[in-house]
Amino acid sequence: DIQMTQSPSSLSASVGDRVTITCRAGQSISKNLNWYQQIVGKAPKLLIYAASSLQSGVPSRFSGSGSGTDFTLTISSLQPEDFATYYCQQSYSTLWTFGQGTKVEVK
Amino acid sequence: EMQLVQSGAEVKKPGESLKISCKGSGYRFTSDWIGWVRQMPGKGLECMGFIHLGGSETRYSPSLQGRATISADKSINTVYLQWNILKVSDTAIYYCAGADGSGKGFDYWGQGTLVTVSS
Repeated sequence: DIQMTQSPSSLSASVGDRVTITCRAGQSISKNLNWYQQIVGKAPKLLIYAASSLQSGVPSRFSGSGSGTDFTLTISSLQPEDFATYYCQQSYSTLWTFGQGTKVEVK
Repeated sequence: EMQLVQSGAEVKKPGESLKISCKGSGYRFTSDWIGWVRQMPGKGLECMGFIHLGGSETRYSPSLQGRATISADKSINTVYLQWNILKVSDTAIYYCAGADGSGKGFDYWGQGTLVTVSS
């Protein structure tokens, strides 16, 4: 399995803040990296696919970058509905693996 | 629009068997890969495996260790996750989710099925 490591595990932020979450793969995965948002009690939602492509219907304040082993999810201006847990996931290998998650909490 | 509807919550005892379901609708369902994702209480997401309805090919995570089986009934657009012998450690929410096979991630999800295994 390809190990995915996110940092930080949690962060505190205020509405309007710029938030950055990083994800590191245990080996090169090219741009086969996806980001999800999970609100408590709900199923995950795809935000970004192929490292930097915005999923249809997702607000443009979300963006992704990176390739190889290092990736970033950025929320340009945090909104109240963005307090959630974010997961990266690699789709390079046959079995997909997720990072451990980053919880974005109210400061 | 692609949609997945999962079966309801289950409460079982250790050693019992269980089969949960995920019924799909939409034009892509028979050509997509359907995965099962486990979320243990208070924990993160873990991909358990996939099935492709077109060819019935299945892939499993090594961590599953042969304890659960993924199957499908194409005639009713339904995918299943089955255990023959449940353990307390199988307690989790199980999500089914769909992907088109191009690596663009799971772009549609079921609502989740809570499985509780307790004596």
